[in-house]
Amino acid sequence: GENVEQHPSTLSVQEGDSAVIKCTYSDSASNYFPWYKQELGKGPQLIIDIRSNVGEKKDQRIAVTLNKTAKHFSLHITETQPEDSAVYFCAANSPNTGNQFYFGTGTSLTVIP
Amino acid sequence: KAGVTQTPRYLIKTRGQQVTLSCSPISGHRSVSWYQQTPGQGLQFLFEYFSETQRNKGNFPGRFSGRQFSNSRSEMNVSTLELGDSALYLCASSRGLETDTQYFGPGTRLTVL
Repeated sequence: GENVEQHPSTLSVQEGDSAVIKCTYSDSASNYFPWYKQELGKGPQLIIDIRSNVGEKKDQRIAVTLNKTAKHFSLHITETQPEDSAVYFCAANSPNTGNQFYFGTGTSLTVIP
Repeated sequence: KAGVTQTPRYLIKTRGQQVTLSCSPISGHRSVSWYQQTPGQGLQFLFEYFSETQRNKGNFPGRFSGRQFSNSRSEMNVSTLELGDSALYLCASSRGLETDTQYFGPGTRLTVL
């Protein structure tokens, strides 16, 4: 089955700096890659996603890039703010298995004011 | 549109007991997936139900079971609880196609004493 690896596990940045989280996946058939943000005491919330027919997608301060050849995708957050502090998860779907997803182990992002 | 709801939000049980958790998906969604989240293991897939049928199953013992009703609401049951079952149990709903986004509920925090 699919294996998703995520790095780093923790990340601290100064407010206003950029943060980058990287994920790799193993199943070349995967074609949908969502990113989730989980705040303390809450369930994961979708923040951005990308499908394999595009290489990059941007939504205000958040962007995701996908390299299908290398089987990795990254989350970029620019101009970080304290409210960006949370745990971020990447995920990859597993085609031909219905709507099953495999998740990375999470990155705890701390934005220092 | 109302989000995914889970009940109860918190639960305390003792070893050997059984527990039933409930998940109501977003209106119109036919797929419900269940995940176990622990600090050490991240988000681990339990099972997915689609149109009242279990479509996928993760690598968990038979003590973990689930079902889905005709209105797409889902329940998961854990029998003979063990201390290691203490976790946040998350459900996620989607329309059910392989590239459909999963939307998570707030989770049920289960503590086994």
